Amino acid sequence: DQQVKQNSPSLSVQEGRISILNCDYTNSMFDYFLWYKKYPAEGPTFLISISSIKDKNEDGRFTVFLNKSAKHLSLHIVPSQPGDSAVYFCAASESGGSYIPTFGRGTSLIVHP
Amino acid sequence: NAGVTQTPKFQVLKTGQSMTLQCAQDMNHNSMYWYRQDPGMGLRLIYYSASEGTTDKGEVPNGYNVSRLNKREFSLRLESAAPSQTSVYFCASSESRGSYGYTFGSGTRLTVV
Repeated sequence: DQQVKQNSPSLSVQEGRISILNCDYTNSMFDYFLWYKKYPAEGPTFLISISSIKDKNEDGRFTVFLNKSAKHLSLHIVPSQPGDSAVYFCAASESGGSYIPTFGRGTSLIVHP
Repeated sequence: NAGVTQTPKFQVLKTGQSMTLQCAQDMNHNSMYWYRQDPGMGLRLIYYSASEGTTDKGEVPNGYNVSRLNKREFSLRLESAAPSQTSVYFCASSESRGSYGYTFGSGTRLTVV
């Protein structure tokens, strides 16, 4: 049973607009959340994270929002650039458990020039 | 460049053959991981090693064995390859089990025919 769900396999956005990637989780013990970005033929790279004690974390064009009551997080990319085209994985972990993140299935983002 | 190195990058095996995927990191990380990525399935943890001398099963360990040879190296062995093991395999490392910013290798694409 999937504990981390990315229900949109793909997303297409115009350059300069906002990209919003969504992620839902079912395990209420998860308290740390991460986003990874993956280009073809490369390994995933860490992008941004958020602890459950916060509801927002920003890093340049990337912002992650966490809604604990809804068990939902989202990654906003503003403005989107063609170089952002990649697969984005949401991951969640439980600091009181194994710490090892559980990954979602990924969302493929395409940013059109 | 510092990072995680995986060899080989590509491999084709016949059903029943064995092989070892090699992984080495030069960041003095304590923890290392093996994941597999299948289309539409995201990243699934096969085995991990929280520290030198320890290994533990992940979500999908069947058909695999691992060896933490030293702090730098963590190998994954397929004793009798099956077509269901056709996948892209990623090795990753982190400072410790509780560190979230994993560094991934570029992957090994394995096809079992």
